[in-house]
Amino acid sequence: ETGVTQSPTHLIKTRGQQVTLRCSSQSGHNTVSWYQQALGQGPQFIFQYYREEENGRGNFPPRFSGLQFPNYSSELNVNALELDDSALYLCASTDRGGRGRIGELFFGEGSRLTVL
Amino acid sequence: SQQGEEDPQALSIQEGENATMNCSYKTSINNLQWYRQNSGRGLVHLILIRSNEREKHSGRLRVTLDTSKKSSSLLITASRAADTASYFCATRAPSGNEKLTFGTGTRLTIIP
Repeated sequence: ETGVTQSPTHLIKTRGQQVTLRCSSQSGHNTVSWYQQALGQGPQFIFQYYREEENGRGNFPPRFSGLQFPNYSSELNVNALELDDSALYLCASTDRGGRGRIGELFFGEGSRLTVL
Repeated sequence: SQQGEEDPQALSIQEGENATMNCSYKTSINNLQWYRQNSGRGLVHLILIRSNEREKHSGRLRVTLDTSKKSSSLLITASRAADTASYFCATRAPSGNEKLTFGTGTRLTIIP
């Protein structure tokens, strides 16, 4: 157990809809990252939040957006869903400036999104 | 985009044998990490090696890093059925945030 929890675990949406995925970071971790993992591929970095501000973004369009809250939990929002958005969405936390400074990430179990 | 490739894409060995997976990457790194993933679930951190290190051990795991060749290898000794999983290497850039760039993964199957 990594202490990182994600919800929901599975969900099905249709094209054009919007989705919100949630993540609770490990206690004491101030940095949250989101990754998209398509079937059979490695995870791809979407963005990272540190102390409620976006701190790096991968090659994803603006319809992928996020938030980090004062308790360091986070949300990933995807608007205007497309079929290719079907994937496992992984949240990872670390403690920048603390023990996690070396870069080890603690991942949740993921939210599997299917877009029909 | 993926940072690099892992080789082989799939590997099946008998329980008790050693498993070796290789990873290549493209750009300079601060560190390289290996993660394990069971059946599309979350990733579990296995081991981290810094760019100024050449070899590191953790239990049955041995990782090597050759920055001149931009490559790394993960050796799992005395494999067990429970080692069946996908293994990913991930690199962190020398500066900036904690973003990891993952490889394509090796699917390891241990045959009891």
